[in-house]
Amino acid sequence: DARVTQTPRHKVTEMGQEVTMRCQPILGHNTVFWYRQTMMQGLELLAYFRNRAPLDDSGMPKDRFSAEMPDATLATLKIQPSEPRDSAVYFCASGLVRGGVTEAFFGQGTRLTVV
Amino acid sequence: GENVEQHPSTLSVQEGDSAVIKCTYSDSASNYFPWYKQELGKRPQLIIDIRSNVGEKKDQRIAVTLNKTAKHFSLHITETQPEDSAVYFCAASGGYNKLIFGAGTRLAVHP
Repeated sequence: DARVTQTPRHKVTEMGQEVTMRCQPILGHNTVFWYRQTMMQGLELLAYFRNRAPLDDSGMPKDRFSAEMPDATLATLKIQPSEPRDSAVYFCASGLVRGGVTEAFFGQGTRLTVV
Repeated sequence: GENVEQHPSTLSVQEGDSAVIKCTYSDSASNYFPWYKQELGKRPQLIIDIRSNVGEKKDQRIAVTLNKTAKHFSLHITETQPEDSAVYFCAASGGYNKLIFGAGTRLAVHP
């Protein structure tokens, strides 16, 4: 059963600390999305990649957030420095472009709490 | 920019009734419209999708309709059951397959 794997599942950190969240997409998928969800609200798109290249990161606060794909099996989302307002669940989703569309499958998320 | 609006934000029905959730999108290049179900504390899961060359798609008790002219699409759940209670998200995928979500609908099915 192929799944998107995210680590860590939970993270509590102090304000000002660096946070790194990791995502392992489903093997063979060529698209990775990062979303943020607060208090069971909507899924806010932060950034996404195709074949490891960033296509759009306009949803991401550039001064503190960064997203990368060092290789095809790993995507990272980093916050430095973290702030209490960054507390949320961060989801990674991966997909494969087929027939001009991308079906996206979500990981279990990283619940981040910044105190 | 691209935008997806979803209504209602909350929906309460009696078991056995039908539930309808509606979404509109702004990007006329959108060609793929998935729906996700998210149970409390879990990941969103894809339950059904529709492509722009199709007007309707059905899977057991779930159906989706698409009106490209009006740029809106809907999710229909018939014979609702308590296990259908969850938050449902619509999404639209347009240029470069960017996937934008609506704000979600919290569905409660009462026995």
